[in-house]
Amino acid sequence: GQNIDQPTEMTATEGAIVQINCTYQTSGFNGLFWYQQHAGEAPTFLSYNVLDGLEEKGRFSSFLSRSKGYSYLLLKELQMKDSASYLCAVRGAYSGGGADGLTFGKGTHLIIQP
Amino acid sequence: NAGVTQTPKFRVLKTGQSMTLLCAQDMNHEYMYWYRQDPGMGLRLIHYSVGEGTTAKGEVPDGYNVSRLKKQNFLLGLESAAPSQTSVYFCASSPSLYNEQFFGPGTRLTVL
Repeated sequence: GQNIDQPTEMTATEGAIVQINCTYQTSGFNGLFWYQQHAGEAPTFLSYNVLDGLEEKGRFSSFLSRSKGYSYLLLKELQMKDSASYLCAVRGAYSGGGADGLTFGKGTHLIIQP
Repeated sequence: NAGVTQTPKFRVLKTGQSMTLLCAQDMNHEYMYWYRQDPGMGLRLIHYSVGEGTTAKGEVPDGYNVSRLKKQNFLLGLESAAPSQTSVYFCASSPSLYNEQFFGPGTRLTVL
């Protein structure tokens, strides 16, 4: 089975930095994704980690430690438009074989305050 | 280039009715997926397809059927809708296992 944990809600201040953590326990591991989802909209891709270390993309960075089953998403220079849910998703291996989908965490609702 | 589109955007059904949700992608992706999203539950995989003519079960397949007769289309069917199937349904596609998934705008389904 697969289990992914992330905080339900976080609050941060405009212009600041926030770190959203994700821990996972999976039967197989073939990569970890972070998605952003604004209320009432579809998830959009932010980052992908398959090897240990930090991936930086503009104001967003994502870190992975496979040995610890741990990832975080770091958002810098927060803007009001960053208020959204952030979804951690792990691509594992389904026991049924064939292609594997993504197992999503329940998402972290990030609130940005002025 | 429309990406991933879903039809309809909203639907209300009565218990026992049937319906089909259509997902279409114009990116020539091999892989397509159907998820449902419920409050407090996150996105859960219903069925997926690794290519035209193939389908496979995901995490929560019961009560749903799918078909992929054409590469660009992935249909999700509810044969006898139940209130527990009230949810937002998202379709997604990806070119391979090692790429991100692109999501459609979602279909909000209510079963009374």
